[in-house]
Order: sequence, then C-alpha cells, then structure tokens
Amino acid sequence: RKEVEQDPGPFNVPEGATVAFNCTYSNSASQSFFWYRQDCRKEPKLLMSVYSSGNEDGRFTAQLNRASQYISLLIRDSKLSDSATYLCVVNTRNSNSGYALNFGKGTSLLVTP
Amino acid sequence: DAEITQSPRHKITETGRQVTLACHQTWNHNNMFWYRQDLGHGLRLIHYSYGVQDTNKGEVSDGYSVSRSNTEDLPLTLESAASSQTSVYFCASSPEPGPYEQYFGPGTRLTVT
Repeated sequence: RKEVEQDPGPFNVPEGATVAFNCTYSNSASQSFFWYRQDCRKEPKLLMSVYSSGNEDGRFTAQLNRASQYISLLIRDSKLSDSATYLCVVNTRNSNSGYALNFGKGTSLLVTP
Repeated sequence: DAEITQSPRHKITETGRQVTLACHQTWNHNNMFWYRQDLGHGLRLIHYSYGVQDTNKGEVSDGYSVSRSNTEDLPLTLESAASSQTSVYFCASSPEPGPYEQYFGPGTRLTVT
C-alpha cells in the first residue's frame, strides 16, 4: 500500500465552483500534514499545513481525521488561477531519528471559464 | 530575500558521464534534501542532510551521492549518468529537524542521452 494516496483526477470545474480533494495515509505515526501546490514544470509550493482541529486560509479549508488517516482540502469559489496539481504530503519519523516527507502523486485541478 | 537556488536549470548529458547539480540556500537551514520527480511516481527522496558533514540515503539513492561541507550547499552528483536518471530534480530545505514543512528550489531538468 502506498504511503500517501490521492485521486489523480483530473478535476474539471467551472469558475466559482467548490471542489474537494481527499487523501489517505498509511502510517498512523505520521506527525504533520501539508498541502502543496505545484504548477506545471515548477517547484512544489506550500499551500497550507493541516491541523487536527481543521484550519482555513481564505478560500481554502484543510481537515485532518487521524482516526481514519484521512486529509482533505476544500477550495471554495474556484478561480482560474487555482488550476494546478495539489500534492498531499505527510511528515513521518524515519529510522535516522529524523523526519521524511512522503508525497502523494497529486490531484490535478483545471478551473474553466 | 533569503532563497534556495539550483543550477543548472536544464542539462543534457551523455550516458556514463559524471554530473553535479548544485543547490544553494541562504536561509541558513540545517536540513537539506534532494528529490526526483517522474511521471507516475511523484516526488521521491534521493539523499538528505541534517547538517554539515551529515548525509543520509533516501528511497532512491543508488547512483547518486551528496556531500555537505557548509550549511548553504548540498551538491548532488550522479557518478555515471544513466538514461533512467533522466528526471526533474528538486532541492529543498527546512529550518530544524522535526515535522516541519520544506521549501523547494526551482528544479533542474536533466536529460541523459
């Protein structure tokens, strides 16, 4: 089983729509969780961290369910500029007493006029 | 402004040649990482370092090496380039050991012919 699994999409939505992405992770000892955004042929950029209580940043809301090992990202009022690939990322302690980021393969979003 | 840079941004090399990709960050971060990104695989960790003179193998380290002689730089060397190492390479850094987010450089697109 993959460490982090996401629906690859693509999700095609009209401007103004609400869209939700889901992600599951396999390691129950994972300690921190993030959503990154990656535009075509560019580097991943941190979109937001995900906290147990859920957190919101403008039009973006992230939720974490540790019991189900499930992370979600909700985008409201989609903009054309939201078109990108969204990476679910889980930070887990590794054998070297450090931490390693495990990346999902990403969910592709295309917002259309 | 502090940043993380990679060079070259694009490189074409021949099978069997030694290639070194540079990564330089001015955040004074102790932790630095190298990833490769290929279609169908997402981002995979090659090597990482938690400080000067510290290096560790990641998930896909065969055929690669790194050295850390100062805080700012973590060069990645392909000892004898193979066509399977054609990929996009991203360097990243984070401030402290721990479950923190990482910040990525712009990437190097390497083609091995």
